[in-house]
Amino acid sequence: DADVTQTPRNRITKTGKRIMLECSQTKGHDRMYWYRQDPGLGLQLIYYSFDVKDINKGEISDGYSVSRQAQAKFSLSLESAIPNQTALYFCATSEAGTGSAGELFFGEGSRLTVL
Amino acid sequence: AQSVSQHNHHVILSEAASLELGCNYSYGGTVNLFWYVQYPGQHLQLLLKYFSGDPLVKGIKGFEAEFIKSKFSFNLRKPSVQWSDTAEYFCAVNSTGANSKLTFGKGITLSVRP
Repeated sequence: DADVTQTPRNRITKTGKRIMLECSQTKGHDRMYWYRQDPGLGLQLIYYSFDVKDINKGEISDGYSVSRQAQAKFSLSLESAIPNQTALYFCATSEAGTGSAGELFFGEGSRLTVL
Repeated sequence: AQSVSQHNHHVILSEAASLELGCNYSYGGTVNLFWYVQYPGQHLQLLLKYFSGDPLVKGIKGFEAEFIKSKFSFNLRKPSVQWSDTAEYFCAVNSTGANSKLTFGKGITLSVRP
């Protein structure tokens, strides 16, 4: 079983719909992240959480929200999806610590298409 | 804030050719440096990392990278590529502060012809 699990893996939805992407991890890491990947743009950080009570905006948080339900769970919501949110979304985890924080463990990705 | 620049978007090589992918970062302080690889249809995984010490680091699958502080560079190398190295490669950097976050470059797509 994967250490970082994302659901759903693929989703097609319509403009204006609310979408939730879920992430769970068994690595016991405190830190969790949501990234989106677009061709030619690399990975952009949406939100991150350093522990259950800590939520921080990343580079591109507009139009997104998150919830850290437990150490192991971090969900990403699109309140009203729009077509330019069509992308591949990755959840990642890391340990705390200056060096360890850069060693991310990624989920398999959730491909979202907004029509 | 730190930033990462990867110079080529798409590199095409034949098998057995040597590889060097460029990565430069911008940050005034001490950094940790990483290369991640994403094989087709898969998630990113760590290829190698530099925290301190020997500036030449070796990673999985025969890859290595050299940190040149004076050039703010961390180029990835492999002496002889294989078809299975076809993937997207991302350079990333974070500062050594306790709450630092990883910043990724835009990635380089490597296509290896059999």
